[in-house]
Amino acid sequence: KNEVEQSPQNLTAQEGEFITINCSYSVGISALHWLQQHPGGGIVSLFMLSSGKKKHGRLIATINIQEKHSSLHITASHPRDSAVYICAVRIQGNLIFGKGTKLSVKP
Amino acid sequence: DAMVIQNPRYQVTQFGKPVTLSCSQTLNHNVMYWYQQKSSQAPKLLFHYYDKDFNNEADTPDNFQSRRPNTSFCFLDIRSPGLGDAAMYLCATSRVLQGENIQYFGAGTRLSVL
Repeated sequence: KNEVEQSPQNLTAQEGEFITINCSYSVGISALHWLQQHPGGGIVSLFMLSSGKKKHGRLIATINIQEKHSSLHITASHPRDSAVYICAVRIQGNLIFGKGTKLSVKP
Repeated sequence: DAMVIQNPRYQVTQFGKPVTLSCSQTLNHNVMYWYQQKSSQAPKLLFHYYDKDFNNEADTPDNFQSRRPNTSFCFLDIRSPGLGDAAMYLCATSRVLQGENIQYFGAGTRLSVL
């Protein structure tokens, strides 16, 4: 049983496009993280959300607690945004990861 | 400046030969985590230390052990690596403070088992 589902699994976009990555979860959570993993493997934490919306530069993350759903948006996408974006939810102290969305932004 | 440092970046070991991966942090965070990430899969939590308290995930094999001699360092010991243990091992730290618990990840150690 997957407690965290991400969609799409793979996404190819042209530079400049607006991108949305979705994350749904099945149980009550205390927080949700969006992480970025580059091809070399290093992971960067982008956002931690427990409600509402956060913005950092071209990245926007939203969460709807009632619908158990979060979205990560990238405005004016750029090839350097190419990475795997991972949603992770905190359930009873543990961090449960989604399988990730592989994003490729073409110039 | 790197805040969570993993050494080495790449480690090659032989089947059955014990190996230790290391993680250090300059953030003075009270929680340190070890994750295993196999190719094209999500990271999987192996265990974590909350200060000196060790917390093992139920499905972490006994082959994997950890030590945290002080706040800054945490080690992952694989007693008898098998071919299936080849993976990226990620260390992360966090400070649980007023509801905030953002994890900071190291760059990872990619383990190959020959």
